[in-house]
Amino acid sequence: QLQLQESGPGLVKPSETLSLTCTVSGGSISSSSYYWGWIRQPPGKGLEWIGSIYYSGSTYYNPSLKSRVTISVDTSKNQFSLKLSSVTAADTAVYYCARQPFGQSFFDYWGQGTLVTVSS
Amino acid sequence: IQLTQSPSSLSASVGDRVTITCRASQGIGSFLAWYQQKPGKAPKLLIYAASTLQNGVPSTFSGSGSGTDFTLTISSLQPEDFATYFCQQLNSYPWTFGQGTKVEIK
Repeated sequence: QLQLQESGPGLVKPSETLSLTCTVSGGSISSSSYYWGWIRQPPGKGLEWIGSIYYSGSTYYNPSLKSRVTISVDTSKNQFSLKLSSVTAADTAVYYCARQPFGQSFFDYWGQGTLVTVSS
Repeated sequence: IQLTQSPSSLSASVGDRVTITCRASQGIGSFLAWYQQKPGKAPKLLIYAASTLQNGVPSTFSGSGSGTDFTLTISSLQPEDFATYFCQQLNSYPWTFGQGTKVEIK
């Protein structure tokens, strides 16, 4: 059974960089059949797609966040990571990692999510 | 592409038929998905391609629509169906979601 698990600091100071890692188990991140994505949800609000990556390292990002986002993949560890720079309180959210079938745009498996709070 | 869901919340009873609407700001063909989210949990994919049920999703759920107007229908609401439902457009990047519809117990 595929599982995704987010990890990283739950508290980040304003202007610093948010860093999260998603560990995939029960399946290979190197599969040619999937992209791997990050989505966030501010408390009590809707969902926002941040960006996605293919095992080869090919990425695409939400233009609204592109200048601050870097997503990378480590196939040897079956992990992919998110970095979001220059964070503000508006970046406080639950961050989810998820699997995205190649050629599709929906997310069929999700991690449980991790709350990241931006505060001094 | 902006997605507008209606209503934003509704109250219903077990056994009721429930319909949620998602309207896109421009035509997206049948490129729409629906998710269910329970408090403190990750979203769960219910439907993609507007009407294709994801494996394991009960047949009480159905989706329809194309172009700009879509609906998610729960034919007979069960206790475990009380949750928030989101639509997502799959047509063009950046992928966007509706604001959600909360289904509460009457």
